[in-house]
Amino acid sequence: ETGVTQTPRHLVMGMTNKKSLKCEQHLGHNAMYWYKQSAKKPLELMFVYSLEERVENNSVPSRFSPECPNSSHLFLHLHTLQPEDSALYLCASSQVATSGNYNEQFFGPGTRLTVL
Amino acid sequence: GQNIDQPTEMTATEGAIVQINCTYQTSGFNGLFWYQQHAGEAPTFLSYNVLDGLEEKGRFSSFLSRSKGYSYLLLKELQMKDSASYLCAVRGNTPLVFGKGTRLSVIA
Repeated sequence: ETGVTQTPRHLVMGMTNKKSLKCEQHLGHNAMYWYKQSAKKPLELMFVYSLEERVENNSVPSRFSPECPNSSHLFLHLHTLQPEDSALYLCASSQVATSGNYNEQFFGPGTRLTVL
Repeated sequence: GQNIDQPTEMTATEGAIVQINCTYQTSGFNGLFWYQQHAGEAPTFLSYNVLDGLEEKGRFSSFLSRSKGYSYLLLKELQMKDSASYLCAVRGNTPLVFGKGTRLSVIA
């Protein structure tokens, strides 16, 4: 595997289900991100983990719960979602310099989520 | 706060040149990125500008004016495969903030 991988690629779930999205990066990066991409809206940054520590949480509802067990893996746990949460969820990784600057991000293929 | 504006859609002819503009307001500035995203696929990195001026990479060039809060992506010798969304993203004091993207359609 190379780059950034995500599973599953497609997910359909009911509002009462619990599911998890998985992301793995094979680039040796030290930062990972979750984005939400809805139709006709810009990419929305949800969470940022740098060196396995959550450094940003952009007012995301608690029904989305991230987990970063190590620098290569990132999960997004989903529970009691709403139909408006249907979107493409993209994972990305990058290298954070010692200066604190974030470099270019490499994206995974995304998980197309549909909430019924 | 941060705000990024770019046109929603553009159409250009195969073989022509097209310029996609991006204006931004941001708290702090640590670089501007352009990404390409084909329908149903992940964004892929195209270019990065942190200093004023033009960065050229093959058929693609990107320009930045920090004083004007302005950038453009220039695509030359357009090909059908260039039909995609082009995302402008700015790094301020936080990780990247993306614009809504410009959907480019290349026609024969």
